[in-house]
Amino acid sequence: EVQLVESGGDVIQPGGSLRLSCVASGFTFDDYIMHWVRQAPGKGLEWVSLFSWDGGSAYYADSVKGRFTISRDNSKKSLYLQMNSLRTEDTALYYCAKGRITQQLVIGVWGQGTQVTVSS
Amino acid sequence: AIQLTQSPSSLSASVGDRVTITCRASQGISSALAWYQQKPGKAPDLLIYDASSLGSGVPSRFSGSGIGTDFTLTISSLQPEDFATYYCQQFNSYPLTFGGGTKVEIK
Repeated sequence: EVQLVESGGDVIQPGGSLRLSCVASGFTFDDYIMHWVRQAPGKGLEWVSLFSWDGGSAYYADSVKGRFTISRDNSKKSLYLQMNSLRTEDTALYYCAKGRITQQLVIGVWGQGTQVTVSS
Repeated sequence: AIQLTQSPSSLSASVGDRVTITCRASQGISSALAWYQQKPGKAPDLLIYDASSLGSGVPSRFSGSGIGTDFTLTISSLQPEDFATYYCQQFNSYPLTFGGGTKVEIK
């Protein structure tokens, strides 16, 4: 069974940093594009970032570019999101997600999310 | 960034109704569009990819169409479990973007 389990969410003050993790199981992690998507309370989905299957390319939403860094460790089947200079508008449930099939951008499976709250 | 505009933002419908949701892109995206369903408190589920391909295990009452800038998601006969929020997402260019969502409620 494919599983994505996120962790690392917390309550943090504006300007602070946080690192989210996502551990994958049930599929060949190395072969898949991995995403972070977030959802602010009561709002819609916002794509945040993705890392290519081969670790060669990373892409970001304009709203997080320069503040967030995505990375992956294929040996640990793990995806990460380093979030710096956090703002109140970064408050959201952060989902880890995988491509539908190998090397495809379409999201096929989502984790259950980890909550990040940025508040003073 | 490519903007996706969904309409309507919400709708009320009855079980058995035919429901159509539209998604308009601010520029052409070929067929690089997906549709997701999200129920309260749950992660989204993939319904349609490549504008018209049905996701694995998705009931055949769901269908997608369109190419370029105008896309539709159709539920041919609304079922009780279909009351949810639906989102489109484009995969044509970075940054990837979602539409604002369409909430389907019970009439």
